[in-house]
Amino acid sequence: DARVTQTPRHKVTEMGQEVTMRCQPILGHNTVFWYRQTMMQGLELLAYFRNRAPLDDSGMPKDRFSAEMPDATLATLKIQPSEPRDSAVYFCASGRPGTSGVYNEQFFGPGTRLTVL
Amino acid sequence: GENVEQHPSTLSVQEGDSAVIKCTYSDSASNYFPWYKQELGKRPQLIIDIRSNVGEKKDQRIAVTLNKTAKHFSLHITETQPEDSAVYFCAASTGNQFYFGTGTSLTVIP
Repeated sequence: DARVTQTPRHKVTEMGQEVTMRCQPILGHNTVFWYRQTMMQGLELLAYFRNRAPLDDSGMPKDRFSAEMPDATLATLKIQPSEPRDSAVYFCASGRPGTSGVYNEQFFGPGTRLTVL
Repeated sequence: GENVEQHPSTLSVQEGDSAVIKCTYSDSASNYFPWYKQELGKRPQLIIDIRSNVGEKKDQRIAVTLNKTAKHFSLHITETQPEDSAVYFCAASTGNQFYFGTGTSLTVIP
C-alpha cells in the first residue's frame, strides 16, 4: 500500500530559526502539492510541482518560504526565518493524471505539525 | 480562479440517519470533484470522487452527485455510523491544482 511520507512529523522551533520539511511522493506520481492547514484558513495551497518543475507557488510567502524538488523522490519546503504565524500543519500530497490523461488524483501525506515559539 | 463553497460548516445527525454536504464551484472548466475525510489529527483521505462526464457515483453508503449546469455537487452518507464523524472536504480541479471547500464537521450521535 504505497503512501506519501513526510518528515519530521512534529517540529517545535524558535522564531527566526530555519525549518525544513521533507516529502517523499508515491513512486510514479509526477505531481506534488504543498498545503498548509490551520483552523482559521483551512487547507491552503502553497505550491505545486509537475515533473519536478514548479507550476504555481503563488500561495507561498516568497520572502521566507521556498519549495524545491531536488529529485523525483524528494520534495522540500523551507521556511527561513520562521515566525509564530507559520505554526500549522503542513501537508504534502502527490498525484498523477488519471487514465484519461486529464484528471489528477492526489493522496496526502501524514503532515508535519510545526510550532514556532 | 476557482472558488469552492461548502455547506454546512457543522452537521450533527443521529446514528442511522443520512447526512448531506453540498458544494458549489465557479469555474466551468473544473472536471474532477473529489471528497476527502479527515479524522482528528490525521491526513485527509480520498473517500469518493466524480468526474464531469458522470452525474452520480455510489460506493456502499456513500454517494456523490454532480450537476454541471448548476455547478454544484453533493456528498450523501446513508445509515451514518459514529465512525463517520470527521471533517469532510470537497474539492474541484481543472486537471491542475485543487481548490478546496472550507470543510464540514460531521458528528454522528450514537
